This record gives sequence, C-alpha cells and structure tokens, in this order.
Amino acid sequence: RKEVEQDPGPFNVPEGATVAFNCTYSNSASQSFFWYRQDCRKEPKLLMSVYSSGNEDGRFTAQLNRASQYISLLIRDSKLSDSATYLCVALKVGGSTLGRLYFGRGTQLTVWP
Amino acid sequence: EAGVTQFPSHSVIEKGQTVTLRCDPISGHDNLYWYRRVMGKEIKFLLHFVKESKQDESGMPNNRFLAERTGGTYSTLKVQPAELEDSGVYFCASSPGRDNEQFFGPGTRLTVL
Repeated sequence: RKEVEQDPGPFNVPEGATVAFNCTYSNSASQSFFWYRQDCRKEPKLLMSVYSSGNEDGRFTAQLNRASQYISLLIRDSKLSDSATYLCVALKVGGSTLGRLYFGRGTQLTVWP
Repeated sequence: EAGVTQFPSHSVIEKGQTVTLRCDPISGHDNLYWYRRVMGKEIKFLLHFVKESKQDESGMPNNRFLAERTGGTYSTLKVQPAELEDSGVYFCASSPGRDNEQFFGPGTRLTVL
C-alpha cells in the first residue's frame, strides 16, 4: 500500500472556480504534511504546510484530519497561473527515516479562461 | 542566494553505459536528498546524506546505483551499468535540518535506450 494516495485527476476548471483536492495517507505514526506544486517539467516547490488546525494562505486552504488520515487543499477563485500538478507529501517525524518525503502521484489541475 | 543546481539537465545513454549525475545543494545545507520519478509513478526517495555521511540509503533500487558526497558539499549519483528501467527524472533536494523545508533542484532527465 502506498504511503500517500491521491486522485490524479485531471481537474479542468474555469477561472474563478473553487476546486478541492484530497489525499489519504496510510501510516498513522506522527507525521508532518505538505502540499507541493510542480509545474510542467519543473521541480516541486513547497506550496504550504498542512496542520490539523487548518492553514490558510490567500486563496489556498489546507486541512489535515488525523482521525481519518485525510488531507485536503482548497483553491478559491482559481487563476490561470494555478494550472500545475499538486503533490500531497508526508514527512515522517522521528526514527531512522526522518527527513524522507513520501509523495503522492499528484493531481493535475488546468484552469481555463 | 543560489538554489539547488543539478547537472546535466538531460542525459541520453545506451543500456550498459555509465552515467554520473551531480547535485550542488544550497550552501550551508547539511542535508542532501536524492529522489527519482519514473514515468507514471510518484516521486520516490532514494537516499539521504547528512554532511558526508549516508543517513538513509534504503530507497536505492540496487547496487548499480552509487551515491557519494565527499567533503559534505556536492553529491554525485552514478548508475553503472544503466538499464532501461532507470529512465526517469532524478531530483536532488537540500535542507538545513531534517524537518525543514526541502528545496529541490531542477532535476536531471535520464533516458536509457
């Protein structure tokens, strides 16, 4: 079973739409979670961290539900520049594998005019 | 501040040949990671250096892969002999600490024919 599971999409939405991505993780050990963004043929870049209390950064809101091992990313008022692949990422905290990132396959988003 | 750099950006080799990838982390980052994305799959961890020491190399696919980080600065990843299934994008990342944000390089796209 993969550490992080994501719906690969693709999601095709018009400008201004609200879109939500979800992912689940399998390891219930204490972990940190992130959303990374990856543009076509570029490197992944950190978008935001995910906390149980929720994390909002402008139009982006990330949420972690540890009870159901579920992570979400909400994008409001989508812009053309939001088109990218969004990667759900887990970091195990503690143990010999501390520092290793576990990536989902990514969810592809296309925002059209 | 310069980001993580990788060389070459692309490499096309024939099965059985040797290829060496290089990564220069952000100056002062003790932690250096190698990841790989095979087509259609998620980005997967290969190994983790702390300074010049291998902290975790459990993600290395087999003994055809050899990573070094002499002097704790840049790192090399050698594949010898290359096989078709080694094709993919190899990313390097660095961070100041193991639970800090990892900054990714642009990747090396390796094609084995």
